[in-house]
Amino acid sequence: IAGITQAPTSQILAAGRRMTLRCTQDMRHNAMYWYRQDLGLGLRLIHYSNTAGTTGKGEVPDGYSVSRANTDDFPLTLASAVPSQTSVYFCASKTDRGRDTEAFFGQGTRLTVV
Amino acid sequence: GNSVTQMEGPVTLSEEAFLTINCTYTATGYPSLFWYVQYPGEGLQLLLKATKADDKGSNKGFEATYRKETTSFHLEKGSVQVSDSAVYFCALFDGNKLVFGAGTILRVKS
Repeated sequence: IAGITQAPTSQILAAGRRMTLRCTQDMRHNAMYWYRQDLGLGLRLIHYSNTAGTTGKGEVPDGYSVSRANTDDFPLTLASAVPSQTSVYFCASKTDRGRDTEAFFGQGTRLTVV
Repeated sequence: GNSVTQMEGPVTLSEEAFLTINCTYTATGYPSLFWYVQYPGEGLQLLLKATKADDKGSNKGFEATYRKETTSFHLEKGSVQVSDSAVYFCALFDGNKLVFGAGTILRVKS
């Protein structure tokens, strides 16, 4: 089934540890995104990539890094996790259809930093 | 940049009640507008969209009309069901980035 796959689905992580959240899409979309979802704050953009080989900072990039070595994969890395990074993380990709474009989301990764 | 503002929740309704969730936008030009829905424990999925002024998006009994005059894209449903309980997000693109409202929790009681 075509779509976006995120892994792991949930994780409990000790503060100070390094963690990579994986995201893979098989729709050949150029643009991909990482969002975090926190109660009362909606979804906030962490990092994005318009095409393979390029990345950009979103609204809340501090403490996170991304890479885009190919079209399909867009991993998000927390170099040294802190409790404020406890959140639900969603990966998304976007079609390239002009005004008819739309975004597709993964099922999310629930991360708890203790 | 482009942004959206949607009504705060939670909204609690009885089954078969009429639903309105307000959304207004600020944008340069006339970007496509979206409503996404998030059911408990799941990711976001597109509910409906409108790509130009006066367009009406519809899906699963939900409707929203792109109103240029009032810069609004309010979500409506004539008769809600318990299964509609979810979080609803209004969204638009700011350049290549999808920007969301804060989300509105809808709870429908039987």
